[in-house]
Amino acid sequence: TQLLEQSPQFLSIQEGENLTVYCNSSSVFSSLQWYRQEPGEGPVLLVTVVTGGEVKKLKRLTFQFGDARKDSSLHITAAQTGDTGLYLCAPFSGGYQKVTFGTGTKLQVIP
Amino acid sequence: GAVVSQHPSRVICKSGTSVKIECRSLDFQATTMFWYRQFPKQSLMLMATSNEGSKATYEQGVEKDKFLINHASLTLSTLTVTSAHPEDSSFYICSAIPGQGADGELFFGEGSRLTVL
Repeated sequence: TQLLEQSPQFLSIQEGENLTVYCNSSSVFSSLQWYRQEPGEGPVLLVTVVTGGEVKKLKRLTFQFGDARKDSSLHITAAQTGDTGLYLCAPFSGGYQKVTFGTGTKLQVIP
Repeated sequence: GAVVSQHPSRVICKSGTSVKIECRSLDFQATTMFWYRQFPKQSLMLMATSNEGSKATYEQGVEKDKFLINHASLTLSTLTVTSAHPEDSSFYICSAIPGQGADGELFFGEGSRLTVL
């Protein structure tokens, strides 16, 4: 089982602040996905990173895949209350392969 | 995007009873669906992979006789928690991957919160 450790586990910040969350493993992944889950709902895919060193931007969110494809980070600029949720990373192998999630980072953005 | 629907969204039952949760893909066919379990403030834990027309594949440590999975059609998978006990109380979420797109995006149901008294 590929274990993905996410840090920090919990994060509470003020609106407008910047933050970075991390997803780390000792395994190499062909690609990695980030999801966000809001309370009482299922997760929603944010991005898939495929190439080592790749950087993808989604508005205020910046995702980076490590050069060695073992880790990834998510940076949020000027956090908003709508960013509140559980952020999950997961390795993706393509097709119908099962998806196992990292330990998660619970983010709370306070107005 | 693709739609996956779960029912019921909330269920409360007495200890010892069985509870069935349905997961439907509304606008696509899903030969494979996944069932997850989530405890408060924790990540999703994969329980099993549901395969249409064949037996489900369970993750290590998940009791297949406790959590019965049936994937009888290309749009429906069911999870039955048999002889439920309070420790089975949790948020159960299903998901499916429509097609084989480049991202292989996993679409999730709304989740079903089970409370066993």
